[in-house]
Amino acid sequence: EAQVTQNPRYLITVTGKKLTVTCSQNMNHEYMSWYRQDPGLGLRQIYYSMNVEVTDKGDVPEGYKVSRKEKRNFPLILESPSPNQTSLYFCASSRTSGNQETQYFGPGTRLLVL
Amino acid sequence: QKEVEQDPGPLSVPEGAIVSLNCTYSNSAFQYFMWYRQYSRKGPELLMYTYSSGNKEDGRFTAQVDKSSKYISLFIRDSQPSDSATYLCAINTNAGKSTFGDGTTLTVKP
Repeated sequence: EAQVTQNPRYLITVTGKKLTVTCSQNMNHEYMSWYRQDPGLGLRQIYYSMNVEVTDKGDVPEGYKVSRKEKRNFPLILESPSPNQTSLYFCASSRTSGNQETQYFGPGTRLLVL
Repeated sequence: QKEVEQDPGPLSVPEGAIVSLNCTYSNSAFQYFMWYRQYSRKGPELLMYTYSSGNKEDGRFTAQVDKSSKYISLFIRDSQPSDSATYLCAINTNAGKSTFGDGTTLTVKP
């Protein structure tokens, strides 16, 4: 079954305690991306990756890091979380072929930073 | 000013109505246009994807892009209660950067 998995699904942490949210896809997609979703703000892209070892900043990269050492995994790292990073986080992967796009989102990770 | 502006809604229509959802954008570098549906407490689901001006149809859904006006629309024909969700437009650059609208919440009443 094609899927994007995220872990953990829910996390409560404290300010300054480093954390990693994992994202893994089993479809051999080259493109992966992280988003955060806050009430009334739609989705905002944090970082994206067009392929292994290629990452770029989205609209809201401050306070986040990513790495893409292998095609299937794209972890999101918060080195020193702050309360304004409390949000719902989605990972996605996709492949484009002509005028068709296949894209899958993970189930989301709900993060609360105290 | 935001790069992508979406009609805010909320929108409430009777079952069977035609729904029109709209976004405008300001950056000419945007090349790829998407519409997503998101049910409550779920991840977004890609509904429509296109990169050219004109219409693209998929069942009851039609995506319309007008690059000269920087305007995109999603039409839903014969709307159903199961279409009740938040709809998000998104526009990508050629390099893969995505910008989303804030979403429009649609309710289709039986």
